[in-house]
Amino acid sequence: DTGVSQDPRHKITKRGQNVTFRCDPISEHNRLYWYRQTLGQGPEFLTYFQNEAQLEKSRLLSDRFSAERPKGSFSTLEIQRTEQGDSAMYLCASRESGSSTDTQYFGPGTRLTVL
Amino acid sequence: DAKTTQPTSMDCAEGRAANLPCNHSTISGNEYVYWYRQIHSQGPQYIIHGLKNNETNEMASLIITEDRKSSTLILPHATLRDTAVYYCIVRVGGSQGNLIFGKGTKLSVKP
Repeated sequence: DTGVSQDPRHKITKRGQNVTFRCDPISEHNRLYWYRQTLGQGPEFLTYFQNEAQLEKSRLLSDRFSAERPKGSFSTLEIQRTEQGDSAMYLCASRESGSSTDTQYFGPGTRLTVL
Repeated sequence: DAKTTQPTSMDCAEGRAANLPCNHSTISGNEYVYWYRQIHSQGPQYIIHGLKNNETNEMASLIITEDRKSSTLILPHATLRDTAVYYCIVRVGGSQGNLIFGKGTKLSVKP
């Protein structure tokens, strides 16, 4: 399967701990997006990369959140000093840059539970 | 990106066609209509998109009204596995930014 993969699929942590999630996009997709989804809501944009450059960040991305894509391939999303409000599904998506369509391909998500 | 309005929920009998409406009355000429769906606890899945003409693929058909102010996603023979939240998204063609999701329509396919 050459789709978008995310690891881990589930993460349970205690408040105050740091967590890191990984996303592997479809190969040759140079655009990578992170979204967050809380219960009953649609996904909300967090940030996106073109290759290794982080081009946009949402206001949802507080100082405790940081995302990287060091070699323009996989990406990591780190949350420091987690809070209960961070509990959500974190989704990663990728797409080809320069494509005439806006189709994004999503991974299965990482479900974070902060106790 | 133009705003969209969808019903909160819909039911459909298994084997019947599911018709999911979406209003996008403020759509502009260069904006496409996209449909994604999200099955419980999975990431969203692209279904189909269109600009003016009706479109069909192996998953669904998209009917866009002549004035482009509304559209309908048609699943011709709904199965239980089509139970999901369906999102209608309008965006400028070729734009590079993020997708803006609303709350979508929860489609329940019943036996």
